[in-house]
Amino acid sequence: DQQVKQNSPSLSVQEGRISILNCDYTNSMFDYFLWYKKYPAEGPTFLISISSIKDKNEDGRFTVFLNKSAKHLSLHIVPSQPGDSAVYFCAANIYSGGGADGLTFGKGTHLIIQP
Amino acid sequence: DAGVIQSPRHEVTEMGQEVTLRCKPISGHNSLFWYRQTMMRGLELLIYFNNNVPIDDSGMPEDRFSAKMPNASFSTLKIQPSEPRDSAVYFCASRPPYEDEQFFGPGTRLTVL
Repeated sequence: DQQVKQNSPSLSVQEGRISILNCDYTNSMFDYFLWYKKYPAEGPTFLISISSIKDKNEDGRFTVFLNKSAKHLSLHIVPSQPGDSAVYFCAANIYSGGGADGLTFGKGTHLIIQP
Repeated sequence: DAGVIQSPRHEVTEMGQEVTLRCKPISGHNSLFWYRQTMMRGLELLIYFNNNVPIDDSGMPEDRFSAKMPNASFSTLKIQPSEPRDSAVYFCASRPPYEDEQFFGPGTRLTVL
């Protein structure tokens, strides 16, 4: 039973356009969400996060939107660049403020930016 | 600053052999996590430690898997005996106090023949 779901295994977007990656979750206890980016043969690297008390968080070209009622979040990348081609993982946590809870990950979406 | 260090980067072994994966977390981080990535199940948490103490090992698949953290700068994940279905990429991650962001190592790709 996947508590964090990324239903699109892959997504192809033209360079310069907007990339939208989606993520759904089922556990209503989750209140902190993170996006990680992963290149081949490397570990995931943190990209952006959002707390459930917010509905939007922006960092440069990256914006994460959270819809708690729908248990849905999305990552927007504008404009998309070739270096954005990677696998993107959505992850969720019950906010611990420094406690040691592990993250629950989705299976990832492979984003391909076409020149 | 060095990130999370994992060794070996690649391990090929035969079924039945013991495998030990190693992790050195980032200095100053007090939480350490072991994850496994497979095509079927994605990234799944195996076990995590807080201040060197195992907190939750409910993700460990079975008794063949064990993990230790003898001090703040070293952890091991051992599989004994290994089986072909253990083939996966194993990631170690560490986290600083009072933060939720985890920092991942490059992973160990394990192949059990």
